[in-house]
Amino acid sequence: SQQGEEDPQALSIQEGENATMNCSYKTSINNLQWYRQNSGRGLVHLILIRSNEREKHSGRLRVTLDTSKKSSSLLITASRAADTASYFCATAKDNAGNMLTFGGGTRLMVKP
Amino acid sequence: DGGITQSPKYLFRKEGQNVTLSCEQNLNHDAMYWYRQDPGQGLRLIYYSQIVNDFQKGDIAEGYSVSREKKESFPLTVTSAQKNPTAFYLCALKGGDTQYFGPGTRLTVL
Repeated sequence: SQQGEEDPQALSIQEGENATMNCSYKTSINNLQWYRQNSGRGLVHLILIRSNEREKHSGRLRVTLDTSKKSSSLLITASRAADTASYFCATAKDNAGNMLTFGGGTRLMVKP
Repeated sequence: DGGITQSPKYLFRKEGQNVTLSCEQNLNHDAMYWYRQDPGQGLRLIYYSQIVNDFQKGDIAEGYSVSREKKESFPLTVTSAQKNPTAFYLCALKGGDTQYFGPGTRLTVL
């Protein structure tokens, strides 16, 4: 199985609600990254959290990292229809950060 | 997106033919990457290059080849040895600890 596994696989919410996605990984990491992908498009980098950080914010995004549980969560607050996309976590197998391993993603649908 | 260009957006080939996907960048970054994405799945690393004239295999290199003759260009060839070539192919480059992705090429082998 992949290094990162997202949960849930799919999530449907109403506009204005919060969306929480979780990611679990297997081995020690230097950092963990979250990406967004709109249908049929490339990935857009959202946020990077380092192994010595527990929480990080960027606009409506909040990411937490629990290295003892090997898990991370991405919270999107006050969701908008434009947030509809797939969200992936990624970790690097090597110290240089070249060999990223992605989970299968969470497909988020935000209904207007 | 931005300084990473992948062309074409859609590509169709007959089974048994080699096909080369283009990835160009004008951001002067050293490290470039190729990933494959199957429907409903995450990305898997095919090859990466940290510097001109050097490249390394990723997790699923079999059936693929790459070259890095120029810093700006990192083309990927999908050979006839690749058993299931139909997929979405994404090129990326590295800035700091982050990888930035191009728009992708959707390859369909008929």
